Amino acid sequence: AQTVTQSQPEMSVQEAETVTLSCTYDTSESDYYLFWYKQPPSRQMILVIRQEAYKQQNATENRFSVNFQKAAKSFSLKISDSQLGDAAMYFCAYRSATGANSKLTFGKGITLSVRP
Amino acid sequence: DAGITQSPRYKITETGRQVTLMCHQTWSHSYMFWYRQDLGHGLRLIYYSAAADITDKGEVPDGYVVSRSKTENFPLTLESATRSQTSVYFCASRRGEGLGYGYTFGSGTRLTVV
Repeated sequence: AQTVTQSQPEMSVQEAETVTLSCTYDTSESDYYLFWYKQPPSRQMILVIRQEAYKQQNATENRFSVNFQKAAKSFSLKISDSQLGDAAMYFCAYRSATGANSKLTFGKGITLSVRP
Repeated sequence: DAGITQSPRYKITETGRQVTLMCHQTWSHSYMFWYRQDLGHGLRLIYYSAAADITDKGEVPDGYVVSRSKTENFPLTLESATRSQTSVYFCASRRGEGLGYGYTFGSGTRLTVV
């Protein structure tokens, strides 16, 4: 079974600075998808960014980008120019590309605080 | 753009009572999921459904029952609530058969069992 590990429970960043959230995963598969979700205090789960394992190019969405290292099974999220609204819990998630019934497996999450 | 609606948003119930959490989606997505969120555990899959009348267990199904008589509804029932089922419950759906799609989540139900 696949596992997703977010080893840092909390991180803090100064407003306008850059922060990187770490995520590692364990799988024997070669084709899969990786996701980062944001959960603000409203509790809503918001998809931040998605990476397809067979694509070497790292995904980017505005101030959010990933560093995908397939051999190392690492999938970190970089937030540039941090804003107060980025304060939230962030979850890394994995999904196999094999079988329509494959499900999202989540890490335990990391709480990001942004200092003004 | 209603998306996924969960109700109630908050619920307090007593140990041993039956409680049903509702989930309704407006897109007619085939796949729907129930997760629970607990501190230190992230989100864990309880049950999922690939279509109406097709359901299957996830990682933590014990104590829960689901049904899906209509594509748009996927209720989760706790047949006899226990304190260990105090949690935040999320319903989600996946758009289409494509494996690259992420999930869209409802706003969650915070359930407290006293």
